[in-house]
Amino acid sequence: AQSVTQPDIHITVSEGASLELRCNYSYGATPYLFWYVQSPGQGLQLLLKYFSGDTLVQGIKGFEAEFKRSQSSFNLRKPSVHWSDAAEYFCAVGPNAGGTSYGKLTFGQGTILTVHP
Amino acid sequence: DAGVIQSPRHEVTEMGQEVTLRCKPISGHNSLFWYRQTMMRGLELLIYFNNNVPIDDSGMPEDRFSAKMPNASFSTLKIQPSEPRDSAVYFCASSSSGGEHTQYFGPGTRLTVL
Repeated sequence: AQSVTQPDIHITVSEGASLELRCNYSYGATPYLFWYVQSPGQGLQLLLKYFSGDTLVQGIKGFEAEFKRSQSSFNLRKPSVHWSDAAEYFCAVGPNAGGTSYGKLTFGQGTILTVHP
Repeated sequence: DAGVIQSPRHEVTEMGQEVTLRCKPISGHNSLFWYRQTMMRGLELLIYFNNNVPIDDSGMPEDRFSAKMPNASFSTLKIQPSEPRDSAVYFCASSSSGGEHTQYFGPGTRLTVL
């Protein structure tokens, strides 16, 4: 069965510092990978996704993530964090084109990001 | 595109009452997902549909919960009777197989059962 692990429940960084949120997955084949962000009181918003090709993907709000097959990881990064980035971040894994689960995603438990001024 | 639409945004009800949550997926999407989010349990998948057919309802907590999708543009999640432990934020999401199954989420319905 597929699974997603976000090892860090809560991360605190200073504004302007770099950020890396970790995500490890377990899946039988190369999956589709996603990062979502949820601001307080809001729904989940797609930040970026990886399907195939270049393993470094760019997303919205200056975020990027790198797919590392050998490490089964899909870590999210941002070079300089802004106070508005404070939110909860979810990594998710889904079936590739050969899957039959109709798009069901498995989500990690989320990482809460706090940004200090 | 209007995105996924959910109503109501907030619902406060008393224990024992029936609650109906509504979702309109993005036009053209053929999969629809209902999630529940709480502090204690995080984000849980309750049920999902493909082409209006329920595929997996193993996440539905009890028989008090039921979901329908009568057509491609509308789905409901019903709780009858409601209990205080059902208090949560309920999200609807939709996706398309043509879009590599990227799920787009609605704003959620915050349910409070007193």
